[in-house]
Amino acid sequence: DAGVTQSPTHLIKTRGQQVTLRCSPISGHKSVSWYQQVLGQGPQFIFQYYEKEERGRGNFPDRFSARQFPNYSSELNVNALLLGDSALYLCASSLTPSGGPETQYFGPGTRLLVL
Amino acid sequence: AQSVTQLGSHVSVSEGALVLLRCNYSSSVPPYLFWYVQYPNQGLQLLLKYTSAATLVKGINGFEAEFKKSETSFHLTKPSAHMSDAAEYFCAVSAAGTASKLTFGTGTRLQVTL
Repeated sequence: DAGVTQSPTHLIKTRGQQVTLRCSPISGHKSVSWYQQVLGQGPQFIFQYYEKEERGRGNFPDRFSARQFPNYSSELNVNALLLGDSALYLCASSLTPSGGPETQYFGPGTRLLVL
Repeated sequence: AQSVTQLGSHVSVSEGALVLLRCNYSSSVPPYLFWYVQYPNQGLQLLLKYTSAATLVKGINGFEAEFKKSETSFHLTKPSAHMSDAAEYFCAVSAAGTASKLTFGTGTRLQVTL
């Protein structure tokens, strides 16, 4: 079975531009979460979506938005890019949105470089 | 609120030596604890997780971790390091009712030398 897939793998943008990152969860998983991992740091939670609804949001500005589609895939959008948005963006999927002991399965990530 | 602290951003061991990576947690509710490994230019892979069923948790690749409530710790160990264990290791915590939010530590880079 395919794991979590993300596209693109790498992306270079300039300050002020907008970017869209895509994620397809493991088949049967209905919950998708997004994390930002800045170089040298642990991943930071951005969003969680379940059944197309936002279930959780981390401490990120409104420039960050996301959505989930009927097939449970998801997009993360970042507007007005800043140099500090350069990071590895990770998508994770799980069966349910309940957190706790639920295992999250991570994709390979999209590496975004903002110049 | 929950948090984890990983002591030691870099750990170096010889091949065949004991691996010990430290993680301490803070949580106002019973925690669920995870160890993930990240190889260069890859995503995160689950090594093991604590879900309150047993305090000693065995994971993949010979790793295990012990939950010690009195010490608020969940250290990761492996009896004998292998070159292929060189990677970044992250401890994470979640709690029921917090959505699928994992709170990660800053990571420990494990180096294995000959």
